[in-house]
Amino acid sequence: NAGVTQTPKFRILKIGQSMTLQCTQDMNHNYMYWYRQDPGMGLKLIYYSVGAGITDKGEVPNGYNVSRSTTEDFPLRLELAAPSQTSVYFCASSYSANRVSEKLFFGSGTQLSVL
Amino acid sequence: GDSVTQMEGPVTLSEEAFLTINCTYTATGYPSLFWYVQYPGEGLQLLLKATKADDKGSNKGFEATYRKETTSFHLEKGSVQVSDSAVYFCALTRNQAGTALIFGKGTTLSVSS
Repeated sequence: NAGVTQTPKFRILKIGQSMTLQCTQDMNHNYMYWYRQDPGMGLKLIYYSVGAGITDKGEVPNGYNVSRSTTEDFPLRLELAAPSQTSVYFCASSYSANRVSEKLFFGSGTQLSVL
Repeated sequence: GDSVTQMEGPVTLSEEAFLTINCTYTATGYPSLFWYVQYPGEGLQLLLKATKADDKGSNKGFEATYRKETTSFHLEKGSVQVSDSAVYFCALTRNQAGTALIFGKGTTLSVSS
C-alpha cells in the first residue's frame, strides 16, 4: 500500500543551491502533479504531467523544472534555490483527469527551507 | 479564472458542536466540487465530492451539497469530534482533460473535549 511516496521529508538549502524532490507512485496513474502549500495560501499547482514524456506548467512554475521519463516517477527540480521557495511541497497522482469523479492521491509532503 | 473562496479560520469548537465551513466558487461551465482534509503531518485526503448541481456528497458524518444557484459547497457536520481537528480544503475541477484541482486557502478546525 505504498501509494504516492515523496522524499525527502525535510530539507534545508542555502540560497543558490539545487536539489531534486523525488516522487513515485505505484498505482499506474497517468496524471501526476506538484503543488506547493504556503501558510494561509492553500495549494498552488507548479507543474503537472498527463503521462510519460508529457509535462505542462501550472500556476507557479517559475524556478522549477520537471521531467516524466516513466509512469511511476515525477521529480521536481529546483536549480537555484531562493527564500521564496520555502514551502511544503506535495506530489499527487490520479488515474485520469477526464473522469468527472476524479480523486487525487497525495504524498505526505516535503518541507523545504531555503536560508 | 476559476477560483475557490473559503471562510477564514481557525474555527474552534467544543466536542459535539455543529460545524459549518463555507465555500463558494467561481467557474465557467459545470465544475466538480470536492472537500479534502489534511490531518497534522500528512498529505491531503479526499473527504467527499459532488459532480453536478444538487448532488450531496457525504462521508464520515460530513456532508456538502452542490448549490449552483448560490455557487456554494458548504461543509457541515452535526456533531464534531476531537479527531476531526484538521485543515479542510474546498476544491474544484473543470471536467476537461488536462486540468487540475484548484484549491481554496484551507480552513483550520480545532475541536476540544
